[in-house]
Amino acid sequence: GEEVAQTPKHLVRGEGQKAKLYCAPIKGHSYVFWYQQVLKNEFKFLISFQNENVFDETGMPKERFSAKCLPNSPCSLEIQATKLEDSAVYFCASRTSGGSSYEQYFGPGTRLTVT
Amino acid sequence: GDSVTQMEGPVTLSEEAFLTINCTYTATGYPSLFWYVQYPGEGLQLLLKATKADDKGSNKGFEATYRKETTSFHLEKGSVQVSDSAVYFCALSELGGSQGNLIFGKGTKLSVKP
Repeated sequence: GEEVAQTPKHLVRGEGQKAKLYCAPIKGHSYVFWYQQVLKNEFKFLISFQNENVFDETGMPKERFSAKCLPNSPCSLEIQATKLEDSAVYFCASRTSGGSSYEQYFGPGTRLTVT
Repeated sequence: GDSVTQMEGPVTLSEEAFLTINCTYTATGYPSLFWYVQYPGEGLQLLLKATKADDKGSNKGFEATYRKETTSFHLEKGSVQVSDSAVYFCALSELGGSQGNLIFGKGTKLSVKP
C-alpha cells in the first residue's frame, strides 16, 4: 500500500500477558524500523529489518521482546510477559533502499496499555 | 553516541507570530537531519529534511538550514497558524546507506492561539 499500516490501534494487556503488534510497510520498501514512544514523547529505537533480516537490534530488550519480518506477511513485534513500563505507543516506519536522505515513513502507531 | 537536543516546550504563540524551535546535534559523521511533526493522536509526518551542510529544507512555510559549523538545524516559520499546533521533533540519521535508524530530540509542543 501507499501508507504504513499498523494494527491494532489500541491494545490493553494485563501485566504478564503477551502482546503482539503488526506492521505492513509501504509496498516496495525494504527497510522496516520499530520505535517506542513513551509518555514524555521520547522515542526509542528498538529494531530494524532489511527485508526479512534483522539489521540492527541494539535497542531491543532481548529478554521479552522479539520481532520478525517474514516474506508476504506483516512484520510483527511481540512482547512476552508485559510489564507496566512497556506501556507506550509503538511506531513502525519503512523506507526504500534507494535515495540519499534516509527518510522514513511512519505508521499511525499502536498504543499499548499494560494494566 | 549521537544525540539531538531541542528546546524544551511548551511554546505558546499567537497566530501570525514568528516561530523558532532550536535544535542542535552531536554526531561522529555527516548525518542527514530532519524535522518531523506529530499532530494530536497521529503518527509522525516528515516536515522537512536536509542531507548536507548549508542545505535548506522547506515545506508548508517552515524552513531549517543545516549548519555544520554550529551543529544546528533550527526550525523557523514566519507566521504560524492555529493549525500548526503540534509536537515537533528534530532528528538525525547517522549511518551511510539506507539502514540508519533515526535519533530524535525530545520534542517541542507548539500551541498557537487565535
